[in-house]
Amino acid sequence: NAGVMQNPRHLVRRRGQEARLRCSPMKGHSHVYWYRQLPEEGLKFMVYLQKENIIDESGMPKERFSAEFPKEGPSILRIQQVVRGDSAAYFCASSPGTMREKLFFGSGTQLSVL
Amino acid sequence: KQEVTQIPAALSVPEGENLVLNCSFTDSAIYNLQWFRQDPGKGLTSLLLIQSSQREQTSGRLNASLDKSSGRSTLYIAASQPGDSATYLCAVRSQAAGNKLTFGGGTRVLVKP
Repeated sequence: NAGVMQNPRHLVRRRGQEARLRCSPMKGHSHVYWYRQLPEEGLKFMVYLQKENIIDESGMPKERFSAEFPKEGPSILRIQQVVRGDSAAYFCASSPGTMREKLFFGSGTQLSVL
Repeated sequence: KQEVTQIPAALSVPEGENLVLNCSFTDSAIYNLQWFRQDPGKGLTSLLLIQSSQREQTSGRLNASLDKSSGRSTLYIAASQPGDSATYLCAVRSQAAGNKLTFGGGTRVLVKP
């Protein structure tokens, strides 16, 4: 059973470009969470999705950021018109769904904006 | 609103000494608490998960305790080794936070040979 898969591992973008980060949850997991870790800081929640639904996006900036988890395929975190301040490690986690279950994290995508 | 604090932010010990890492949270109505390890530039590795009904969990040299009423958890690592050097993160899952994990800032541990 493969773990949570994130790709790419490293992504370099110039200011103004778009960044698309992908996350494939563990098999059987229908809940996905995205977190961001800025340099020398802790993990901050961004968005929580179930298949085809956004449950909680309270941690996501209102502009330029969007997330989806379609019926088929991976969850996508999309950042439009990236700025230098978007440079961070973006982690995805998945769980089967019940509140008592453990969250499993991917290895993250390191986004660098030049 | 759930807030999680980890003290100290950094810790340095000689090899062989026991490690004690502290985590506190403000809202005791939690579902569970999870301890993670993060190596520099890497992802998170789950170490232990303690459900709200449990007092402790053990795995090898690791033992985590939970005192929900006082809002505290402690991670003990016995007989530390240089390979234990990493950042240790505590996270709680609670209704106050909308059922998502809320992380502490982490404790950066250095075990000197």
